[in-house]
Amino acid sequence: NAGVTQTPKFQVLKTGQSMTLQCAQDMNHNSMYWYRQDPGMGLRLIYYSASEGTTDKGEVPNGYNVSRLNKREFSLRLESAAPSQTSVYFCASSEDILAVYQETQYFGPGTRLLVL
Amino acid sequence: LAKTTQPISMDSYEGQEVNITCSHNNIATNDYITWYQQFPSQGPRFIIQGYKTKVTNEVASLFIPADRKSSTLSLPRVSLSDTAVYYCLVAGSARQLTFGSGTQLTVLP
Repeated sequence: NAGVTQTPKFQVLKTGQSMTLQCAQDMNHNSMYWYRQDPGMGLRLIYYSASEGTTDKGEVPNGYNVSRLNKREFSLRLESAAPSQTSVYFCASSEDILAVYQETQYFGPGTRLLVL
Repeated sequence: LAKTTQPISMDSYEGQEVNITCSHNNIATNDYITWYQQFPSQGPRFIIQGYKTKVTNEVASLFIPADRKSSTLSLPRVSLSDTAVYYCLVAGSARQLTFGSGTQLTVLP
């Protein structure tokens, strides 16, 4: 039981390049999330998916797109990377976002992205 | 959006009880209070959650006064392995899932 896994662990991009961050969970959770964490700061929600087939914007969605491929997988895409997107990206999952205020989120190990 | 305020850092010694307070003056009726722990190069990990009064589990206690405008995470008898960043999260819906800057707890021998 791996929990939440993320690939890659580390990536360097040049400005304007695109890439997709992958996330998968094996806990049969309905809800999944993407966050970014900048140095010395807390996590900010980029997008979330309440259930398979649905996605919604969080606090900082600009410059990103997401795909909930199936119940297990939730990917985050940067179409044209910018230096401001240099950050650590965390994926998380929880049982059911409908009761999010009582939810426990399980986080992956993160992807460190450097945009030059 | 319920904004939280925590001390930036705290130091403690092994074996002591540590209390970290979070202020959330504009907490809404539907909001729950959740604390997470984060070690370097790892994702946050759930510690405890509450709505009002006191909640206790095997690792921590959470104290919430009647007005709910603050909460205190209590860690009994800390060890070196408790050195981490602790986040207070106040949310009632997915759109409010923004973590504050957290409190860096350093446990000294």
